[in-house]
Amino acid sequence: NAGVMQNPRHLVRRRGQEARLRCSPMKGHSHVYWYRQLPEEGLKFMVYLQKENIIDESGMPKERFSAEFPKEGPSILRIQQVVRGDSAAYFCASSQAGGVGQETQYFGPGTRLLVL
Amino acid sequence: RKEVEQDPGPFNVPEGATVAFNCTYSNSASQSFFWYRQDCRKEPKLLMSVYSSGNEDGRFTAQLNRASQYISLLIRDSKLSDSATYLCVVNRGGGGNKLTFGTGTQLKVEL
Repeated sequence: NAGVMQNPRHLVRRRGQEARLRCSPMKGHSHVYWYRQLPEEGLKFMVYLQKENIIDESGMPKERFSAEFPKEGPSILRIQQVVRGDSAAYFCASSQAGGVGQETQYFGPGTRLLVL
Repeated sequence: RKEVEQDPGPFNVPEGATVAFNCTYSNSASQSFFWYRQDCRKEPKLLMSVYSSGNEDGRFTAQLNRASQYISLLIRDSKLSDSATYLCVVNRGGGGNKLTFGTGTQLKVEL
């Protein structure tokens, strides 16, 4: 009964380094979403992907952030040249499909990124 | 104006009380609605979907009023374990399937 898996659960980086966050969706789910929760704030949508496709990246910062969901393997959220303001909890969610009735999203445990 | 608005609380209630949370959304084209709960900033967990006809799951009842763009959650006979932050969530649909979260309403159930 594997749910959405994320690793690492905690990640510490120094300013200027790269952070790579991984997400494996629930079994049978082909849609992946990334959300960010800054301290004392609500969750904010970042990007929506299907296998080998970015469907909606309207919430992604224009620079330093990228996401992929390859044909094989987990989805990756990559943050280059991290800054202190990137410190947050990054949650991944997955859904069976995108249409009404199948779009319910289930969340992974999150990756807490701390930039020193 | 925020796309999804909730009273942040906290709501401090005694065990056994009935408590109601409200939420309003601004985009009339929104298609799906949910309540999630989040404990101590862990991952959000789906509590229930919300339909115009209303739906009930044990002690929890959710209602949607599309005309007023208003969503509610009622918790009866509250338990200590209900203490959490309750997130009102809206899916705009249209193929984007992007969830928009309210900032959450904090509930503390006390002895």
